[in-house]
Amino acid sequence: QVQLQESGPGLVKPSETLSLTCAVSGYSISSTYYWGWIRQPPGKGLEWIGSIYHSGSTYYNPSLKSRLTISVDTSKNQFSLRLTSVTAADTAVYYCVRSWSSGSYYSDYWGQGTLVTVSS
Amino acid sequence: EIVLTQSPATLSLSPGERATLSCRASQSISTYLAWYQQKPGQAPRLLIYDASNRATGIPARFSGSGSGTDFTLTISSLEPEDFAVYYCQRRSNLLPFGGGTKLEIK
Repeated sequence: QVQLQESGPGLVKPSETLSLTCAVSGYSISSTYYWGWIRQPPGKGLEWIGSIYHSGSTYYNPSLKSRLTISVDTSKNQFSLRLTSVTAADTAVYYCVRSWSSGSYYSDYWGQGTLVTVSS
Repeated sequence: EIVLTQSPATLSLSPGERATLSCRASQSISTYLAWYQQKPGQAPRLLIYDASNRATGIPARFSGSGSGTDFTLTISSLEPEDFAVYYCQRRSNLLPFGGGTKLEIK
């Protein structure tokens, strides 16, 4: 059974860097699929953040691209998100997902989500 | 850029009734459309992919149809656990998600 689990700080100060990790079990992320991040501000809809292919190719939401890095650590079977210069607008539940396409289309496995609040 | 518009924003129905949710694309997206269900406090769950294919473990009362610009998610007979928010998603790196439809108990 494939499982994804997000981890990272729940509180980040404005202008600092948000860093999250997604640990994957039950499947080797170096095999195939896209591994990505989707977020959801409180009470709002879903926003695609970006994804990384098993080969290491990355795909980013253009609106976040200048602040965003997604990387993979195959030795630990996990992938990570790094978002710099955060503001209150980055407050959201962050989900990691396994998908069949670069825009996280057809995401068949999701982490439970982790709430990240940007506040001083 | 292609935008997905879901309607209605809120749908009020009773258990046992049939639900019809709409997702319209501003340009043709072929059949590259997925549907998700999200309950409060939970991650979304994939229901349908490529417009009409049920994901693994999804009950047969859920069905998807459409192509091009108009898509429909139908729940043939609502169960109490079906009341949730539903999102459509297209295959793209630009604005892939619709705004959602909240299906509430009447």
